[in-house]
Amino acid sequence: TQLLEQSPQFLSIQEGENLTVYCNSSSVFSSLQWYRQEPGEGPVLLVTVVTGGEVKKLKRLTFQFGDARKDSSLHITAAQPGDTGLYLCAGVDRGSTLGRLYFGRGTQLTVWP
Amino acid sequence: GAVVSQHPSRVICKSGTSVKIECRSLDFQATTMFWYRQFPKQSLMLMATSNEGSKATYEQGVEKDKFLINHASLTLSTLTVTSAHPEDSSFYICSARDPLAGQHNEQFFGPGTRLTVL
Repeated sequence: TQLLEQSPQFLSIQEGENLTVYCNSSSVFSSLQWYRQEPGEGPVLLVTVVTGGEVKKLKRLTFQFGDARKDSSLHITAAQPGDTGLYLCAGVDRGSTLGRLYFGRGTQLTVWP
Repeated sequence: GAVVSQHPSRVICKSGTSVKIECRSLDFQATTMFWYRQFPKQSLMLMATSNEGSKATYEQGVEKDKFLINHASLTLSTLTVTSAHPEDSSFYICSARDPLAGQHNEQFFGPGTRLTVL
């Protein structure tokens, strides 16, 4: 089993603050995906990182893939209440032809106005 | 992006009855669909991988006779919870891979089905 350790599990901050969510594993993944989920809805894909050391930006969100492709981080600058949600990282099993994902436990982010 | 729908979005049933949940890929063909279960404030737990035209692959600890999966076409997979009990109450989510849209096995998720067993 390939495990992804995601931290922190809960994060409650004020509007305007910065935050970072971490996703770590002892396993190498062919790629890693970040999803955001709102209550009562399915997860929505934010980004896929593929290359070791890769950095991708999505407005105020910055995603980084570790050089060894074992870890990733999500940094949000100047958080807004609309960023509130459950953030999930998921690694793609290198050995799976069907694209099985291994999910982290998730980070529940609450941004207060 | 690829669109996946689920029906129903919410279902309440009595203990002992069976409930069927449908997962459809609306604008693409999905040879592989995945079924997840999610408890409040927790991550997704993979239950099974559904393959069109063949038997589903269940994760360890998931009862295949209780959670029946049928993937009869390239756009439809169904999950039937048989003889449901209150402990089966949960949020069930399906996802599908669009081989043409994602180069890196991205999964597109349905909106989920909230099952409550009384």
